[in-house]
Amino acid sequence: DQQVKQNSPSLSVQEGRISILNCDYTNSMFDYFLWYKKYPAEGPTFLISISSIKDKNEDGRFTVFLNKSAKHLSLHIVPSQPGDSAVYFCAASLLRGSNYKLTFGKGTLLTVNP
Amino acid sequence: KAGVTQTPRYLIKTRGQQVTLSCSPISGHRSVSWYQQTPGQGLQFLFEYFSETQRNKGNFPGRFSGRQFSNSRSEMNVSTLELGDSALYLCASSLDGRVLRVGTEAFFGQGTRLTVV
Repeated sequence: DQQVKQNSPSLSVQEGRISILNCDYTNSMFDYFLWYKKYPAEGPTFLISISSIKDKNEDGRFTVFLNKSAKHLSLHIVPSQPGDSAVYFCAASLLRGSNYKLTFGKGTLLTVNP
Repeated sequence: KAGVTQTPRYLIKTRGQQVTLSCSPISGHRSVSWYQQTPGQGLQFLFEYFSETQRNKGNFPGRFSGRQFSNSRSEMNVSTLELGDSALYLCASSLDGRVLRVGTEAFFGQGTRLTVV
C-alpha cells in the first residue's frame, strides 16, 4: 500500500503563474514532511520541509502547507519559472524515530512554459 | 563542502551477475540510506546504515545487501541480478539519521544507473 500519494503525475503552468503540487498521506504517524526536486540524470535536491507542529513554512518562492486533519500537504511555487521544470517528490518521515527512512510519493512532473 | 558521491554513474550487467555500488557521504555525515528509483514504483527505501550497522531495512529480497565502513562510506551489493533490478540507485547521507531540525535533512547523490540485460 502506498502511504504517500501524489495523484497528479504531471502539471503544466505558465511562467509567472502559481504552481500547486499536492500530496496525500495515509499514515498518521508521519510528523515531518519534505519536498525534493529532481532533474533528469541528477539525484533529488532538498527543497523545503515542514514539521507537523506547523501548518505553513515559507522559503522564498516556495511555500508548503500542511493540513493534518486531511492528511494533505501542498507545495506552492510563486512565481513559477522555466527553471522550476522538474519532477517534484513529496516525502514523509518520523521525526522522533531513531532510524532515517523517507517514504516517497511517485512524483509530479512540473513543466513551466515560457 | 563536497556532496554525496556515488560510483559508478552507469553500469550494464547481465542477468545472474552481481554488482557492487559505492557511496561516499558528505564529510561528517554518519548515516547513509539507499533508495531504488523505477518509473513504476518511484523511490523506494532499501536500507539505512549508521556507524557500520544496518538500522532499518525496506521490503526488498535478501539479494540486496549493504555495508558501511568506519569512514562512513557505504557499499550496496545486488546478487543474482534480474531484469527488474534495472533502476536508478540513489544514496542519501545525513548527520545521524534523524531529522533534528531544518538543515539536517538527507542529501542525495546523483545515483548509479544500473541496466540489467
